Amino acid sequence: EVQLVESGGGLVQPGGSLRLSCAASGFTFSTYSMNWVRQAPGKGLEWVSYIRSSSTTIYYADSVKGRFTISRDNAKNSLYLQMNSLRAEDTAVYYCARGDPAGGAGCDSWGQGTQVTVSS
Amino acid sequence: SYELTQPPSVSVSPGQTASITCSGDKLGDKYACWYQQKPGQSPVLVIYQDRKRPSGIPERFSGSNSGNTATLTISGTQAMDEADYYCQAWDSSPNWVFGGGTKLTVL
Repeated sequence: EVQLVESGGGLVQPGGSLRLSCAASGFTFSTYSMNWVRQAPGKGLEWVSYIRSSSTTIYYADSVKGRFTISRDNAKNSLYLQMNSLRAEDTAVYYCARGDPAGGAGCDSWGQGTQVTVSS
Repeated sequence: SYELTQPPSVSVSPGQTASITCSGDKLGDKYACWYQQKPGQSPVLVIYQDRKRPSGIPERFSGSNSGNTATLTISGTQAMDEADYYCQAWDSSPNWVFGGGTKLTVL
Protein backbone atom coordinates (compact mmCIF):
# COMPACT_ATOMS: atom_id res chain seq x y z
CA GLU A 1 0.00 0.00 0.00
CA VAL A 2 1.30 3.42 -0.96
CA GLN A 3 1.85 5.66 2.07
CA LEU A 4 2.98 9.25 2.26
CA VAL A 5 3.44 10.76 5.71
CA GLU A 6 4.23 14.45 6.11
CA SER A 7 5.85 16.00 9.17
CA GLY A 8 7.59 19.17 10.26
CA GLY A 9 4.71 21.60 10.29
CA GLY A 10 4.02 24.00 13.10
CA LEU A 11 3.71 27.61 14.20
CA VAL A 12 6.41 30.00 12.97
CA GLN A 13 6.79 33.77 13.02
CA PRO A 14 6.79 35.81 9.81
CA GLY A 15 10.24 35.74 8.26
CA GLY A 16 11.02 32.40 9.87
CA SER A 17 11.86 29.02 8.39
CA LEU A 18 10.51 25.48 8.48
CA ARG A 19 11.54 22.22 6.86
CA LEU A 20 8.81 19.80 5.90
CA SER A 21 9.45 16.11 5.33
CA CYS A 22 7.46 13.42 3.57
CA ALA A 23 8.24 9.77 4.25
CA ALA A 24 7.24 7.43 1.43
CA SER A 25 6.60 3.70 1.58
CA GLY A 26 4.84 0.98 -0.37
CA PHE A 27 6.33 1.88 -3.75
CA THR A 28 9.69 2.44 -5.45
CA PHE A 29 10.13 6.05 -4.43
CA SER A 30 13.20 6.62 -6.60
CA THR A 31 11.22 6.10 -9.81
CA TYR A 32 8.45 8.61 -9.13
CA SER A 33 8.21 12.38 -9.46
CA MET A 34 6.85 14.15 -6.39
CA ASN A 35 5.09 17.39 -5.55
CA TRP A 36 4.12 19.66 -2.71
CA VAL A 37 0.58 21.05 -2.81
CA ARG A 38 -0.93 23.36 -0.21
CA GLN A 39 -4.39 24.41 0.89
CA ALA A 40 -5.00 27.59 2.86
CA PRO A 41 -7.82 27.50 5.44
CA GLY A 42 -11.18 27.33 3.65
CA LYS A 43 -9.52 27.76 0.26
CA GLY A 44 -8.70 25.60 -2.76
CA LEU A 45 -5.66 23.59 -3.71
CA GLU A 46 -2.46 25.32 -4.83
CA TRP A 47 0.46 23.47 -6.41
CA VAL A 48 3.74 24.56 -4.78
CA SER A 49 6.64 22.59 -6.25
CA TYR A 50 7.67 19.57 -8.34
CA ILE A 51 10.77 17.40 -8.41
CA ARG A 52 11.58 14.66 -10.90
CA SER A 53 12.61 11.23 -9.70
CA SER A 54 16.31 11.91 -10.23
CA SER A 55 16.11 15.54 -9.01
CA THR A 56 17.22 16.70 -12.47
CA THR A 57 14.13 18.85 -13.00
CA ILE A 58 12.57 21.12 -10.38
CA TYR A 59 9.72 23.61 -10.72
CA TYR A 60 8.20 26.15 -8.33
CA ALA A 61 5.04 28.20 -8.26
CA ASP A 62 5.73 31.90 -8.67
CA SER A 63 4.33 32.51 -5.17
CA VAL A 64 7.18 30.58 -3.52
CA LYS A 65 10.03 30.92 -6.02
CA GLY A 66 13.23 32.10 -4.34
CA ARG A 67 11.93 31.29 -0.84
CA PHE A 68 11.17 27.54 -0.94
CA THR A 69 13.49 24.70 -1.93
CA ILE A 70 12.32 21.19 -2.79
CA SER A 71 14.66 18.24 -2.47
CA ARG A 72 14.61 14.47 -2.05
CA ASP A 73 16.75 11.66 -0.73
CA ASN A 74 15.95 8.50 -2.67
CA ALA A 75 18.09 6.41 -0.32
CA LYS A 76 15.85 7.47 2.56
CA ASN A 77 12.59 7.43 0.57
CA SER A 78 12.01 11.01 1.62
CA LEU A 79 10.86 14.29 0.12
CA TYR A 80 11.58 17.68 1.67
CA LEU A 81 10.47 21.28 1.44
CA GLN A 82 12.69 23.95 2.96
CA MET A 83 10.60 27.05 3.52
CA ASN A 84 12.35 30.36 4.24
CA SER A 85 11.14 33.94 4.60
CA LEU A 86 7.70 32.68 5.53
CA ARG A 87 4.71 34.97 5.20
CA ALA A 88 1.22 34.92 6.64
CA GLU A 89 -0.11 33.90 3.24
CA ASP A 90 1.96 30.70 3.42
CA THR A 91 -0.35 29.45 6.18
CA ALA A 92 -1.87 26.23 4.87
CA VAL A 93 -2.00 22.48 5.07
CA TYR A 94 0.91 21.16 3.02
CA TYR A 95 0.49 17.85 1.20
CA CYS A 96 3.08 15.76 -0.53
CA ALA A 97 1.68 14.07 -3.61
CA ARG A 98 3.04 11.54 -6.05
CA GLY A 99 2.70 12.41 -9.72
CA ASP A 100 4.11 13.95 -12.87
CA PRO A 101 2.27 16.56 -14.93
CA ALA A 102 3.83 15.26 -18.13
CA GLY A 103 1.26 13.19 -19.94
CA GLY A 104 -1.59 14.33 -17.71
CA ALA A 105 -1.26 11.55 -15.17
CA GLY A 106 -2.19 13.69 -12.18
CA CYS A 107 -1.29 13.06 -8.54
CA ASP A 108 -2.46 9.55 -7.69
CA SER A 109 -1.40 9.41 -4.05
CA TRP A 110 -1.48 12.06 -1.32
CA GLY A 111 -0.35 12.27 2.26
CA GLN A 112 -2.58 13.38 5.12
CA GLY A 113 -0.98 16.83 5.19
CA THR A 114 0.90 18.88 7.78
CA GLN A 115 -0.30 22.25 9.07
CA VAL A 116 1.93 25.29 8.72
CA THR A 117 0.85 28.45 10.50
CA VAL A 118 2.75 31.71 10.03
CA SER A 119 1.80 34.19 12.70
CA SER A 120 3.34 36.48 15.29
CA SER B 1 -0.70 33.26 -15.91
CA TYR B 2 -2.95 30.39 -16.87
CA GLU B 3 -6.29 30.13 -15.06
CA LEU B 4 -8.93 27.45 -14.71
CA THR B 5 -12.48 28.51 -13.84
CA GLN B 6 -15.04 26.29 -12.11
CA PRO B 7 -18.55 27.08 -10.85
CA PRO B 8 -18.47 27.53 -7.05
CA SER B 9 -21.34 25.13 -6.51
CA VAL B 10 -23.45 22.51 -8.25
CA SER B 11 -26.52 20.78 -6.85
CA VAL B 12 -27.97 17.45 -7.93
CA SER B 13 -30.69 15.11 -6.75
CA PRO B 14 -29.73 11.56 -5.77
CA GLY B 15 -29.70 9.26 -8.78
CA GLN B 16 -29.40 12.11 -11.26
CA THR B 17 -26.41 13.20 -13.34
CA ALA B 18 -24.09 15.93 -12.12
CA SER B 19 -21.83 17.86 -14.49
CA ILE B 20 -18.99 20.05 -13.27
CA THR B 21 -17.19 22.23 -15.78
CA CYS B 22 -13.67 23.61 -15.87
CA SER B 23 -12.81 26.36 -18.32
CA GLY B 24 -9.43 27.56 -19.54
CA ASP B 25 -7.89 28.95 -22.69
CA LYS B 26 -7.41 26.07 -25.15
CA LEU B 27 -7.81 23.62 -22.27
CA GLY B 28 -8.66 20.92 -24.80
CA ASP B 29 -5.05 21.06 -26.00
CA LYS B 30 -3.87 20.04 -22.52
CA TYR B 31 -4.64 17.06 -20.32
CA ALA B 32 -7.11 17.63 -17.47
CA CYS B 33 -7.34 15.80 -14.16
CA TRP B 34 -10.05 15.86 -11.54
CA TYR B 35 -9.85 15.42 -7.76
CA GLN B 36 -12.48 14.77 -5.12
CA GLN B 37 -11.95 16.15 -1.61
CA LYS B 38 -14.27 15.45 1.29
CA PRO B 39 -14.17 17.59 4.47
CA GLY B 40 -11.09 16.93 6.55
CA GLN B 41 -9.63 14.51 4.01
CA SER B 42 -6.87 14.60 1.42
CA PRO B 43 -7.74 14.91 -2.27
CA VAL B 44 -8.39 11.77 -4.31
CA LEU B 45 -7.69 11.54 -8.04
CA VAL B 46 -10.89 10.53 -9.84
CA ILE B 47 -10.05 11.30 -13.48
CA TYR B 48 -6.71 11.65 -15.28
CA GLN B 49 -5.74 12.22 -18.91
CA ASP B 50 -9.14 13.82 -19.50
CA ARG B 51 -11.22 10.64 -19.23
CA LYS B 52 -9.36 7.78 -17.53
CA ARG B 53 -10.38 6.45 -14.11
CA PRO B 54 -7.79 5.27 -11.58
CA SER B 55 -8.26 1.84 -10.11
CA GLY B 56 -11.01 1.84 -7.50
CA ILE B 57 -12.92 4.83 -8.86
CA PRO B 58 -16.52 3.92 -9.68
CA GLU B 59 -17.64 3.81 -13.30
CA ARG B 60 -20.20 6.54 -12.63
CA PHE B 61 -17.32 9.04 -12.79
CA SER B 62 -16.37 10.10 -16.32
CA GLY B 63 -14.58 12.97 -17.97
CA SER B 64 -14.25 14.81 -21.24
CA ASN B 65 -12.16 17.71 -22.54
CA SER B 66 -12.60 19.72 -25.72
CA GLY B 67 -12.15 23.29 -26.85
CA ASN B 68 -11.92 25.46 -23.74
CA THR B 69 -13.85 23.20 -21.36
CA ALA B 70 -13.24 20.01 -19.43
CA THR B 71 -16.22 18.33 -17.81
CA LEU B 72 -16.52 15.88 -14.94
CA THR B 73 -19.74 13.89 -15.10
CA ILE B 74 -21.13 11.81 -12.26
CA SER B 75 -23.94 9.52 -13.35
CA GLY B 76 -26.40 8.17 -10.81
CA THR B 77 -25.02 10.52 -8.17
CA GLN B 78 -24.97 9.13 -4.64
CA ALA B 79 -24.93 10.91 -1.29
CA MET B 80 -21.32 9.76 -0.81
CA ASP B 81 -20.31 11.82 -3.85
CA GLU B 82 -21.00 15.07 -2.00
CA ALA B 83 -17.59 16.77 -1.88
CA ASP B 84 -15.42 19.49 -3.36
CA TYR B 85 -14.11 18.79 -6.84
CA TYR B 86 -11.02 20.36 -8.39
CA CYS B 87 -9.79 20.29 -11.96
CA GLN B 88 -6.08 20.51 -12.76
CA ALA B 89 -4.01 21.07 -15.88
CA TRP B 90 -0.34 21.60 -16.70
CA ASP B 91 0.66 24.95 -18.13
CA SER B 92 4.04 25.20 -19.78
CA SER B 93 5.05 28.26 -17.69
CA PRO B 94 5.77 25.79 -15.93
CA ASN B 95 2.85 25.70 -13.58
CA TRP B 96 0.49 22.95 -12.50
CA VAL B 97 -2.78 24.87 -12.20
CA PHE B 98 -5.83 23.97 -10.13
CA GLY B 99 -9.30 25.32 -10.66
CA GLY B 100 -10.94 27.11 -7.75
CA GLY B 101 -13.05 24.10 -6.83
CA THR B 102 -16.74 23.22 -7.03
CA LYS B 103 -18.84 22.17 -4.06
CA LEU B 104 -21.17 19.38 -5.12
CA THR B 105 -24.32 19.14 -3.03
CA VAL B 106 -26.52 16.07 -3.28
CA LEU B 107 -30.03 16.93 -2.10
